[in-house]
Amino acid sequence: DAGITQSPRYKITETGRQVTLMCHQTWSHSYMFWYRQDLGHGLRLIYYSAAADITDKGEVPDGYVVSRSKTENFPLTLESATRSQTSVYFCASAVTSGRDEQFFGPGTRLTVL
Amino acid sequence: AQSVTQLGSHVSVSEGALVLLRCNYSSSVPPYLFWYVQYPNQGLQLLLKYTSAATLVKGINGFEAEFKKSETSFHLTKPSAHMSDAAEYFCAVSDLDDKIIFGKGTRLHILP
Repeated sequence: DAGITQSPRYKITETGRQVTLMCHQTWSHSYMFWYRQDLGHGLRLIYYSAAADITDKGEVPDGYVVSRSKTENFPLTLESATRSQTSVYFCASAVTSGRDEQFFGPGTRLTVL
Repeated sequence: AQSVTQLGSHVSVSEGALVLLRCNYSSSVPPYLFWYVQYPNQGLQLLLKYTSAATLVKGINGFEAEFKKSETSFHLTKPSAHMSDAAEYFCAVSDLDDKIIFGKGTRLHILP
C-alpha cells in the first residue's frame, strides 16, 4: 500500500515490558517524526529523523528509543513501558524538512497497564 | 522557544454559521504556519500552509487563514459551517529548524 502505515493499530502491554511501534512510508521522504497525542497536550514531538542513520530528540524523548537504518522505516521502542506512556502515537513523514507538509499515519493506540 | 496558543479547546457553531478558530504564535523570525485537521480515529491532514507568499491563504474544504504579523496571529475561518467540518483543528508553527510545534488543538462542534 502506498503512503504511511503504522503497526500495530492497537496495543495493550504491561508496565516494564518492551514495546516497538512500527512506521513505514513508501514515498522515500527524507524526514520522519514520532509524536504522541494526549488530551490537553495536543501533539508533542518525541523524536525525528532527517535521513537514514540521523535521528534527534524532540520535546519528550525520555523513555523512548528510535532507529532508522532504512529510509522507509522508523520504529519507536519503549524500552520499559510505564503507565505515563499510555497514549496515541503518530508517525509522520515530510519531503525535505519539518517546514514541509507532514503526512501522518493512522496512529497506534497504546495502553500500558 | 517557539510556542503556539489556540484560544478555546472547544468551539461550537451552528450549521451555516461562520467558523473562527484562533491561533497566536511566538516567533522572532518570519515563521511557517500551518493548520491541520484531524477527523475521529485518523491522523492529521494539512488544511493550509503560510509561507510568506500571501497573507491570506486558501486551503481545502473552503477554509482560509490570514497571517497578521502585527498581531502574531493566524486565525482559521470558513464562511459557512457544514456538519462534516466537525473535527479537531491544530495550528502549528515552524521557524528555522526542522521541527514544527503544534498547538493543543481546538475541537469544533457543529450544531444542527
